[in-house]
Amino acid sequence: DGGITQSPKYLFRKEGQNVTLSCEQNLNHDAMYWYRQDPGQGLRLIYYSQIVNDFQKGDIAEGYSVSREKKESFPLTVTSAQKNPTAFYLCASSISRGYEAFFGQGTRLTVV
Amino acid sequence: AQSVSQHNHHVILSEAASLELGCNYSYGGTVNLFWYVQYPGQHLQLLLKYFSGDPLVKGIKGFEAEFIKSKFSFNLRKPSVQWSDTAEYFCAVRTLTGGGNKLTFGTGTQLKVEL
Repeated sequence: DGGITQSPKYLFRKEGQNVTLSCEQNLNHDAMYWYRQDPGQGLRLIYYSQIVNDFQKGDIAEGYSVSREKKESFPLTVTSAQKNPTAFYLCASSISRGYEAFFGQGTRLTVV
Repeated sequence: AQSVSQHNHHVILSEAASLELGCNYSYGGTVNLFWYVQYPGQHLQLLLKYFSGDPLVKGIKGFEAEFIKSKFSFNLRKPSVQWSDTAEYFCAVRTLTGGGNKLTFGTGTQLKVEL
């Protein structure tokens, strides 16, 4: 089945540690996105990528980093510089401009 | 910078009532518009989308939305809601100019439908 896989579903980390969230898609989509979802704040764009080896900062990129070495993969690293990393993270992909985005099931990150 | 505003954060309706959720965006160029829904415990799903053509678009489950370019609005409507429509609804805008593919979401509207 085609889709977007985010792993793990739940992730716990100690404060000060970097952590990488996985996002893989087998839909052959060019564009991929990372969002952070917090109650009352909707989905805020962290990073997005239109094509392999290219990505742009979204609205809240500080404290995060990404890579896009393969079309199907867009991992997100939450660094120790992110001041409030505990959140629900959503990955999405779309064919290209003009098409809707499809979402993964999300990863809930808790930093203690 | 583009932004999306959803003015209704929480809406409570009785079954069979009519629904209208507001969505306004700030961007002067060409846009694609979307409404997504997130049912409790489920991932985001597309309700409907507008790319071009007829500004009144129909989506799944009896939802529709109207694009009014002059008002930068894309309001979601349903004539008669059901208890199963209880969910969070997100408006989203994709900008198409300048080589961009940025997809921006609003803050969401939590809809509760009571029996």
